[in-house]
Amino acid sequence: NAGVMQNPRHLVRRRGQEARLRCSPMKGHSHVYWYRQLPEEGLKFMVYLQKENIIDESGMPKERFSAEFPKEGPSILRIQQVVRGDSAAYFCASSPGWTATNEKLFFGSGTQLSVL
Amino acid sequence: DAKTTQPNSMESNEEEPVHLPCNHSTISGTDYIHWYRQLPSQGPEYVIHGLTSNVNNRMASLAIAEDRKSSTLILHRATLRDAAVYYCIQGSNYKLTFGKGTLLTVNP
Repeated sequence: NAGVMQNPRHLVRRRGQEARLRCSPMKGHSHVYWYRQLPEEGLKFMVYLQKENIIDESGMPKERFSAEFPKEGPSILRIQQVVRGDSAAYFCASSPGWTATNEKLFFGSGTQLSVL
Repeated sequence: DAKTTQPNSMESNEEEPVHLPCNHSTISGTDYIHWYRQLPSQGPEYVIHGLTSNVNNRMASLAIAEDRKSSTLILHRATLRDAAVYYCIQGSNYKLTFGKGTLLTVNP
């Protein structure tokens, strides 16, 4: 019973390159959430997606960041023209339905992005 | 910004109970209290959550004050595997805002 799978675990990029982070939710889960953890800080919500739909992207930076969850395949968080401030741990979580008040989130092990 | 207040760190001995406090004085009527924990280089792991009544599961118990302005996570018998950062979060949807949490150290 595989959990939330994220890859790569570690990603090194030079300034100006693109970073692509992948997340496969738990089997049977159709809702995906991306969180970012900056050094010495707590996790912060970025975006909530269902298959082929962005439900809430209020936590995403306005520029350079985008996310998708296609009908087939994993969810992708894309960061274009990375800068040093993008260095962080990016966590994906999933849930079987809309997480209102009584569902828990299942988190992956994260992708550590380092920008040189 | 995180809305809850937790001690930065706590220490416990193995096989003893641990009480992790949390203050959430601005909690609204629809906000649940969620607890997650995070081991180094891992994603957060759900521990427990509740609204008004005390809650128990196989991992822990959650005691919620009557005015809901504070709560306590109780680990009945700490093990070395319980050493982690524990986050107390108030929220009513998926936008969980994690603070810095409490770093729990368990001594053998």
